[in-house]
Amino acid sequence: SAVISQKPSRDICQRGTSLTIQCQVDSQVTMMFWYRQQPGQSLTLIATANQGSEATYESGFVIDKFPISRPNLTFSTLTVSNMSPEDSSIYLCSVGDLEAGYTFGSGTRLTVV
Amino acid sequence: AQTVTQSQPEMSVQEAETVTLSCTYDTSESDYYLFWYKQPPSRQMILVIRQEAYKQQNATENRFSVNFQKAAKSFSLKISDSQLGDAAMYFCAYRSASTDKLIFGTGTRLQVFP
Repeated sequence: SAVISQKPSRDICQRGTSLTIQCQVDSQVTMMFWYRQQPGQSLTLIATANQGSEATYESGFVIDKFPISRPNLTFSTLTVSNMSPEDSSIYLCSVGDLEAGYTFGSGTRLTVV
Repeated sequence: AQTVTQSQPEMSVQEAETVTLSCTYDTSESDYYLFWYKQPPSRQMILVIRQEAYKQQNATENRFSVNFQKAAKSFSLKISDSQLGDAAMYFCAYRSASTDKLIFGTGTRLQVFP
């Protein structure tokens, strides 16, 4: 199965600023997914990152707040923009592989103060 | 829309004993995939076991097995010979055959006591 390197692992940010999270995969994958996990909650899909096209956002998530880049088949970034304390969460990237099951990055724990 | 329900927010088990975590889902589709993921305090999501809906045989991975009841839309996870390292959050997840998105349940926190 694919191996994902996600960074940063954690950060503390001031409100109103932006943070960019990176995910690097050790193999080429068609789709990458970005999830948010609010404290004590389950995972909620933010968007699907497609190489060569705009990301597909889920209901309740917008591109201005969570811009995503996918420059190639092994890399993607998620930016959390104009942060507020409500954005404090764990953010995870994932790649889909039905054979091996979906693989996740190690997550980024974001605290907004 | 598909939904996944885990009705047990917390469960506990004695080391070496067996525990079963429940998961039900709602879908109108006939072809789909089901997963159990484990999330220890490290935050890493670890695949425990997967089940294809078209397979009648229940999946098994060492000490982990599922009871897949398609008609009842139930997908429970049984952990045998529980170990201290099994303590974690467990999430049940659903994937439609027609999309690549995973839909997660709310999770069950498993505690293992020595």
